[in-house]
Amino acid sequence: AQTVTQSQPEMSVQEAETVTLSCTYDTSESDYYLFWYKQPPSRQMILVIRQEAYKQQNATENRFSVNFQKAAKSFSLKISDSQLGDAAMYFCAYRTSQGGSEKLVFGKGTKLTVNP
Amino acid sequence: NAGVMQNPRHLVRRRGQEARLRCSPMKGHSHVYWYRQLPEEGLKFMVYLQKENIIDESGMPKERFSAEFPKEGPSILRIQQVVRGDSAAYFCASSLQSNQPQHFGDGTRLSIL
Repeated sequence: AQTVTQSQPEMSVQEAETVTLSCTYDTSESDYYLFWYKQPPSRQMILVIRQEAYKQQNATENRFSVNFQKAAKSFSLKISDSQLGDAAMYFCAYRTSQGGSEKLVFGKGTKLTVNP
Repeated sequence: NAGVMQNPRHLVRRRGQEARLRCSPMKGHSHVYWYRQLPEEGLKFMVYLQKENIIDESGMPKERFSAEFPKEGPSILRIQQVVRGDSAAYFCASSLQSNQPQHFGDGTRLSIL
């Protein structure tokens, strides 16, 4: 079974600085999807960024980018120019590409604090 | 274009009662997923449904829990004879196709007295 590990329960960053959140996963599959979701205090689950394993290019969405290291099974999230609104829980998630099992497997999350 | 709608937002039940959680997927989405989030934990998959069919229920407890997604109307997650341990946030997500990103609702926070 696939597992996702987020080794940083909490992180903090100064406003306007850059922070990197770590995520590793375990799988025997060669093709899959990886995601980062943000959960602010309002408890919504917001998709931040998505990476397809067969794509070597790292995904980027404005201030958010990933460092996808397939061989190392690592998928870190970099937030540049951090803003107060970035404060939230961040969850890394894995999903197989095989049909019939589209469930997301989540890590336990990293709580990000942004200091003014 | 409305997102995934879950209701109620908060639900309080006494031990032994039934809880019904509703989820209306995004317009045009026929794939629905239910997840449970315990305090200080990530989300755990419960069940995946596609109109009138349960595709994967590997995360559902064997007893007291059931889910449906009828041809008409919202998806329902039903918990019978609730216990304190059922207290959690229950999230629904939907997708257009099975290989498309899942979009989440705001969740239902279930509290058991």
